[in-house]
Amino acid sequence: EVQLVESGGRLIQPGGSLRLSCAASGFPVSHNHMSWVRQSPRRGLEWVSVVYAGGGENYADSVKGRFTISRDTLKNALYLQMTNLGVDDTAVYYCVRGATHWGQGTRVTVSS
Amino acid sequence: DVVMTQTPLSLSVTPGQPASISCKSSQSLVHNDGKIYLYWYLQKPGQAPQLLMYEVSSRFSGVSPRFSGSGSGTDFTLTISRVEAEDVGVYYCMHSIQFPECSFGQGTKLEIK
Repeated sequence: EVQLVESGGRLIQPGGSLRLSCAASGFPVSHNHMSWVRQSPRRGLEWVSVVYAGGGENYADSVKGRFTISRDTLKNALYLQMTNLGVDDTAVYYCVRGATHWGQGTRVTVSS
Repeated sequence: DVVMTQTPLSLSVTPGQPASISCKSSQSLVHNDGKIYLYWYLQKPGQAPQLLMYEVSSRFSGVSPRFSGSGSGTDFTLTISRVEAEDVGVYYCMHSIQFPECSFGQGTKLEIK
């Protein structure tokens, strides 16, 4: 059974950094396109970043240069390193396998 | 960027009655490979989105046959043949011309009368 479990979200001050984790089971992350998608009341659902099955990554313009996606094949996990966070980054962040499976999300709140 | 526009933004349906949600894109979603990467998701209260339909009209594993998808080019529709109480939530269309980079509609909230 495919499972995705996100963690790492919390309240953080503007300008801070945070790393989100996604523990995957039931499939190898290295064989799938793995994305982060976020959801906020103001911006709705927004694709954030992807690491491709074959390697390489891409980012939405809104996070380019601030966020870094990575994966660990041994731990079968996905990560999102977020720096210079702003209030517009406040959202629930979902780990997504391809277009099919979503985790339950982890909440990031950027506020002073 | 492709903009996805859903209508209506909300609808209230009597159980057993049909429901339809429209999703229009600002440009054609036909990929170079001839496929249309248009998806429909349902987000039930307090849950993550769950995939209903992929590539316009293919039902994902375990999805009720009451759900169907149609459309081409820039106009797409999700239809529920007979609404049930468990169908309550927010429905989103999503396109992905350059999968998995994608964009979502603003959502349609379905309530039961």
